[in-house]
Amino acid sequence: GAGVSQSPSNKVTEKGKDVELRCDPISGHTALYWYRQSLGQGLEFLIYFQGNSAPDKSGLPSDRFSAERTGGSVSTLTIQRTQQEDSAVYLCASSLHGLYYEQYFGPGTRLTVT
Amino acid sequence: QQQVKQSPQSLIVQKGGISIINCAYENTAFDYFPWYQQFPGKGPALLIAIRPDVSEKKEGRFTISFNKSAKQFSLHIMDSQPGDSATYFCAASTTYTGNQFYFGTGTSLTVIP
Repeated sequence: GAGVSQSPSNKVTEKGKDVELRCDPISGHTALYWYRQSLGQGLEFLIYFQGNSAPDKSGLPSDRFSAERTGGSVSTLTIQRTQQEDSAVYLCASSLHGLYYEQYFGPGTRLTVT
Repeated sequence: QQQVKQSPQSLIVQKGGISIINCAYENTAFDYFPWYQQFPGKGPALLIAIRPDVSEKKEGRFTISFNKSAKQFSLHIMDSQPGDSATYFCAASTTYTGNQFYFGTGTSLTVIP
């Protein structure tokens, strides 16, 4: 079946612009995660959704970052007033229910802020 | 601060050898420890995971060893193959942290034919 998909695969934007990154999880997966992976670094947890709810938003690096999930499916990560330090690969993952279930990752969106 | 510390940063192993990657953590509330494998340009994929109620879990050539008292866990890849060349990440989580996952910084493994 279809895996997790993310769009766009690459995004180049100018500093100060807003960007929206999209994640389509595997159908039926109730849990959805967003991560950021900077060059040569590990994965930085951003936010977790169970259904449409995000119990803890403390992983978001600043108030310029926001995320939502609708219909228990598609999620968008929005970065406002982008900065050069936002340049990274943004990864989305989904799992069947939550913590102890395998996370399936999408291919990521490579964001470059010039 | 780094919740999960991973070493080494890079590793070169001969084909057929054993690759060992180590991770350490501080939060004793962690109760789920997965390892992920990532190839260039791809998202990570779950390799193997362990809960702290067992000290070892083996799946094929991959084994996780878990030392609860030392707060350490490691990945052993037996009979390493060139196709194992990838970046490996350890991670830790618990429901008590709102399902936040904490990843190590990764180990780049190269298996030489």
